Amino acid sequence: AQKITQTQPGMFVQEKEAVTLDCTYDTSDPSYGLFWYKQPSSGEMIFLIYQGSYDQQNATEGRYSLNFQKARKSANLVISASQLGDSAMYFCAEKLTFGTGTRLTIIP
Amino acid sequence: EAQVTQNPRYLITVTGKKLTVTCSQNMNHEYMSWYRQDPGLGLRQIYYSMNVEVTDKGDVPEGYKVSRKEKRNFPLILESPSPNQTSLYFCASSAREGRVDTQYFGPGTRLTVL
Repeated sequence: AQKITQTQPGMFVQEKEAVTLDCTYDTSDPSYGLFWYKQPSSGEMIFLIYQGSYDQQNATEGRYSLNFQKARKSANLVISASQLGDSAMYFCAEKLTFGTGTRLTIIP
Repeated sequence: EAQVTQNPRYLITVTGKKLTVTCSQNMNHEYMSWYRQDPGLGLRQIYYSMNVEVTDKGDVPEGYKVSRKEKRNFPLILESPSPNQTSLYFCASSAREGRVDTQYFGPGTRLTVL
């Protein structure tokens, strides 16, 4: 069974700084996929970025990048140049198994 | 527009009164699932369906039922709701896109059981 661990319940970060949200995973499947979702206060789940276990390069999507370290079983989300609109809950997931989330607050 | 819809978006009900939360997707996805979200617990899968007439339990199925009579619809049924089922519920659908099982989420249903 898969397990996703997000050890940071909450983070406060100054605007324009880079942010790293931690995620470690545990799966016995040789082929797996890691997702990050954003949930703003309005409640919807927004897909941000995906990393496949066999992808050679770390995924990037605009200001989002994924620091994928397979040997350490970690898939940390990096947000560059944070903005006030980045304040939200962030969830890491391995396919259909979700972590408990990190609440990110960007401070002006 | 590709989307997953849920209804109702908000519901306050009383213990024991049967309710159904509908979910519909217009993307012809085979896979659909229901999650509940509770503070500190993240999203936990309740039930999922791989295709029409094929459903299976997720991590927290107790107190819930589902059906998948049509590909597009996947209703969640609470036969006798209890206060511990007060939660935020999400329906999701997905189809294999290459190796990416990207899930599309509905807007959520906030349920309060008094």
